[in-house]
Amino acid sequence: GESVGLHLPTLSVQEGDNSIINCAYSNSASDYFIWYKQESGKGPQFIIDIRSNMDKRQGQRVTVLLNKTVKHLSLQIAATQPGDSAVYFCAEAIIQGAQKLVFGQGTRLTINP
Amino acid sequence: EAQVTQNPRYLITVTGKKLTVTCSQNMNHEYMSWYRQDPGLGLRQIYYSMNVEVTDKGDVPEGYKVSRKEKRNFPLILESPSPNQTSLYFCASSLNRGLETQYFGPGTRLLVL
Repeated sequence: GESVGLHLPTLSVQEGDNSIINCAYSNSASDYFIWYKQESGKGPQFIIDIRSNMDKRQGQRVTVLLNKTVKHLSLQIAATQPGDSAVYFCAEAIIQGAQKLVFGQGTRLTINP
Repeated sequence: EAQVTQNPRYLITVTGKKLTVTCSQNMNHEYMSWYRQDPGLGLRQIYYSMNVEVTDKGDVPEGYKVSRKEKRNFPLILESPSPNQTSLYFCASSLNRGLETQYFGPGTRLLVL
């Protein structure tokens, strides 16, 4: 069945270091993958996405890597800042037929000063 | 300002008392969706709508109803709430089939006694 999960529920990093958040997925038919950031008391906010025919995409301070061979997705945040503290969700999107997102459980990223 | 609004933001009710959570977006988006967020389970899709008068079940539709009579509104209806529907609910919208640019509302925290 479909499932998206995260390897670690919490991640603590030093301010200024790079953060890597991992995600495993199981549905090979997913069209693309999305990373969301959710700050306390707010709804999820889109960070970056990647199509299933790509293996890397870069944004501002963030990079998403997709390894379809092992069904693994990662989000790299460069030079982590206090404002990056949040829960990060990966989601896989299926747009053929029943259009939907399947979310992982989330990883809480905390920044140590 | 482009946004998704939900009302109420917080609600305490009793088992069996019908309630409606409203959702409205001002971006002329075709796609709208409802999710519930529970600890350890991430976000799970309840219902979605691809356009006016077009709705479909998500992963956890039991106990919920929706309607899409207007493009901007997508209310979530709990005809007979039960304690297992205590959760944090998010409405989201996106343009056409662009799930990657899905905008989330601020959330509605519901407690069913």
